[in-house]
Amino acid sequence: DVKVTQSSRYLVKRTGEKVFLECVQDMDHENMFWYRQDPGLGLRLIYFSYDVKMKEKGDIPEGYSVSREKKERFSLILESASTNQTSMYLCASSIGGAGGSYEQYFGPGTRLTVT
Amino acid sequence: QKEVEQNSGPLSVPEGAIASLNCTYSDRVSQSFFWYRQYSGKSPELIMSIYSNGDKEDGRFTAQLNKASQYVSLLIRDSQPSDSATYLCAVEGVSGNTPLVFGKGTRLSVIA
Repeated sequence: DVKVTQSSRYLVKRTGEKVFLECVQDMDHENMFWYRQDPGLGLRLIYFSYDVKMKEKGDIPEGYSVSREKKERFSLILESASTNQTSMYLCASSIGGAGGSYEQYFGPGTRLTVT
Repeated sequence: QKEVEQNSGPLSVPEGAIASLNCTYSDRVSQSFFWYRQYSGKSPELIMSIYSNGDKEDGRFTAQLNKASQYVSLLIRDSQPSDSATYLCAVEGVSGNTPLVFGKGTRLSVIA
């Protein structure tokens, strides 16, 4: 079974803090993704990575950065947390390749509250 | 920009009935289609994938794909209260090795 784990289920941070969200997958997947999910807005892609040290912006990268130093680990960084970044953050992984998009497997999510 | 459209619902069906969830997509060349189930407060879980026109059955779930009409659906037979969740449709991205494009989901409520 594919397993994607996230460092925290719930997190409360203060405005202006630097926040690190960690994601680890154990299936040797090439691709990893970070989404946020808000009521009525669906899943919105923040960043994704298709290889170590590679990153691509998604639809809403502003205010976020990412790091992928190892294949199994993909970190999302909020440089200076703001209240509008309060959300559910979801990490996902998939196999890679030029043949098309592949099924993504999600971690349990981190519910981040910024006060 | 690819688009994936789903009726947000809620779709209410009685226990034991067939629930029909629909999804349309904008890019005619899409080849891969997926259905995810998401319980409230949980993360999406992959339940079906379909790549060819026609029906694909897995237990009580049937995915149907019509590429000419750019339409994919999910049927849930003998619906149970435990099927109450939001169902997300996902479609292949713009080109190879790009993220899936997700619809916003349809909320299904199965009434006992």
